[in-house]
Amino acid sequence: DAKTTQPNSMESNEEEPVHLPCNHSTISGTDYIHWYRQLPSQGPEYVIHGLTSNVNNRMASLAIAEDRKSSTLILHRATLRDAAVYYCILRDVLNYGGSQGNLIFGKGTKLSVKP
Amino acid sequence: DTEVTQTPKHLVMGMTNKKSLKCEQHMGHRAMYWYKQKAKKPPELMFVYSYEKLSINESVPSRFSPECPNSSLLNLHLHALQPEDSALYLCASSREDSLFTEAFFGQGTRLTVV
Repeated sequence: DAKTTQPNSMESNEEEPVHLPCNHSTISGTDYIHWYRQLPSQGPEYVIHGLTSNVNNRMASLAIAEDRKSSTLILHRATLRDAAVYYCILRDVLNYGGSQGNLIFGKGTKLSVKP
Repeated sequence: DTEVTQTPKHLVMGMTNKKSLKCEQHMGHRAMYWYKQKAKKPPELMFVYSYEKLSINESVPSRFSPECPNSSLLNLHLHALQPEDSALYLCASSREDSLFTEAFFGQGTRLTVV
């Protein structure tokens, strides 16, 4: 069963902000929210992760809803290099030794960036 | 060095061949993973090694045989594969406490079974 729901695709203009949504209505208290992206012809790469509070790093920001049932990955100024498939993944801290603690990829959102 | 190196980048093999995929990292990571990715699909977890021991096998057919000879190396031995096994095979590694840090992926080996 899919634990996260993301739009299949989104479009953005270069140098504009992008908000990528993820719904995870069945999230448990011990699930961390991770985001990875996969550029064409490359392996996935880590973007950001969080538990309850909003998080910022050099690549992006992660906004987590107060009830944790949804989150949004924010790219502040999209570049052509940000065109990729973005995956929102839940990782259960109590189940690290099992499948649910590992990176289980859903379908993701394919982001296109127009010049 | 934050690289996970996979060799070869491309491999074509017959259904009766035996071949191996190799993965190497020098980041001191003690967890290593194999994923399989079909075209336009997300990566699927196959195996997880933790401290050189197999900890997760996601019901993968026995024609795929993983091996972790030391903490830096991960192999995937292939034997009697089927054409539907053609895919991109990705290796990844992470620190043991990887829930709080990131996993690093290699560029993958693109396998074609003929």
